[in-house]
Amino acid sequence: AQKVTQAQTEISVVEKEDVTLDCVYETRDTTYYLFWYKQPPSGELVFLIRRNSFDEQNEISGRYSWNFQKSTSSFNFTITASQVVDSAVYFCALSEDGTASKLTFGTGTRLQVTL
Amino acid sequence: DAGVIQSPRHEVTEMGQEVTLRCKPISGHNSLFWYRQTMMRGLELLIYFNNNVPIDDSGMPEDRFSAKMPNASFSTLKIQPSEPRDSAVYFCASSFSGLAGAIQYFGAGTRLSVL
Repeated sequence: AQKVTQAQTEISVVEKEDVTLDCVYETRDTTYYLFWYKQPPSGELVFLIRRNSFDEQNEISGRYSWNFQKSTSSFNFTITASQVVDSAVYFCALSEDGTASKLTFGTGTRLQVTL
Repeated sequence: DAGVIQSPRHEVTEMGQEVTLRCKPISGHNSLFWYRQTMMRGLELLIYFNNNVPIDDSGMPEDRFSAKMPNASFSTLKIQPSEPRDSAVYFCASSFSGLAGAIQYFGAGTRLSVL
């Protein structure tokens, strides 16, 4: 069965610090997809990124970067120079080729960025 | 473009009452998902539709829950009779396809409180 683990329940940092959110997944499929979503205090879920299992290139988007390592079944998310607006709950999710678009979410990491 | 639209945003009802949650997916999307978010269980998929047909309802907690998608632009999730343990945030999401890896876009959610 597929599984997503976000071991960090809550992280607190001071603005401008870098922070990494960990995500470890389990799957038996060779084709799968990994996602990160952001849930700000307003409550909606915002899509951030999708990676497929055949593309291990790291990705950078502004202050956000993602490190995908199949060898360790991890898909970690780093925020550089964090800002107060980054305060949110971040979810990692997995979908497998065998279960179509069904998403399995991790339990989320609450990030608190303070001044 | 309008995103996924859910109504109502908040619902307070008494135990035993019928509750209907509504969702309008993004135009052109052919897959629709209903999720429930609670502190205890996190984000869990209840049911999803592909081309208006229910594909997987294994997450529906019990017979008190039912979902319909009469056309490509509207879906409902009904709880009858409601119970206090149904209190949660219910999200609707849509995606362009039902294939693995399709990005799901979420509505703002409906916060349900059953007294």
